[in-house]
Amino acid sequence: SQKIEQNSEALNIQEGKTATLTCNYTNYSPAYLQWYRQDPGRGPVFLLLIRENEKEKRKERLKVTFDTTLKQSLFHITASQPADSATYLCALDGGSYIPTFGRGTSLIVHP
Amino acid sequence: ETGVTQSPTHLIKTRGQQVTLRCSSQSGHNTVSWYQQALGQGPQFIFQYYREEENGRGNFPPRFSGLQFPNYSSELNVNALELDDSALYLCASSHRDRGDEQYFGPGTRLTVT
Repeated sequence: SQKIEQNSEALNIQEGKTATLTCNYTNYSPAYLQWYRQDPGRGPVFLLLIRENEKEKRKERLKVTFDTTLKQSLFHITASQPADSATYLCALDGGSYIPTFGRGTSLIVHP
Repeated sequence: ETGVTQSPTHLIKTRGQQVTLRCSSQSGHNTVSWYQQALGQGPQFIFQYYREEENGRGNFPPRFSGLQFPNYSSELNVNALELDDSALYLCASSHRDRGDEQYFGPGTRLTVT
């Protein structure tokens, strides 16, 4: 069955460092992969979308890579700040316009 | 702020009751999706409406039903509430013809006792 894996353990890093979050998937052929940020008790906020034929996408301090051979996406936040602390969700869509979400990874940036 | 609104913010219901949750899509969007999110989990897809027609459904029983109106606002109805229905219910709007990114509302926190 289709599976999306995100590290369930929180990632703790120091302010100013680069945070790297991982999204692995199996039994899936996504046309798109998206990353969202979610704060406690709030709805997810769209950050970036990368298509299957794209290797890398950047937006300000954010960078996403997509390796369809490894079936993995990496999400990087450079020069991290305490305000970046949140849960980050990856979502895959096989082209049906119905993304399937992972459970998310909590990022904690310490001052 | 995404422009997607949901009501109510919080709701407490008793097992066996029925509930209606409402969502107002972002202006210009023609697709609305509903998700259930339990604590510590990712959003689970319930169903999607595209131009007032159901476009897909997740692994939820028929007591979860929905509607999309001509102005693209939407309702989620849940009958015969069970304790496990306690969760954050999220509505997301998108414009299917322009891209796949979902714009979520703040959610409705439903507690079933």
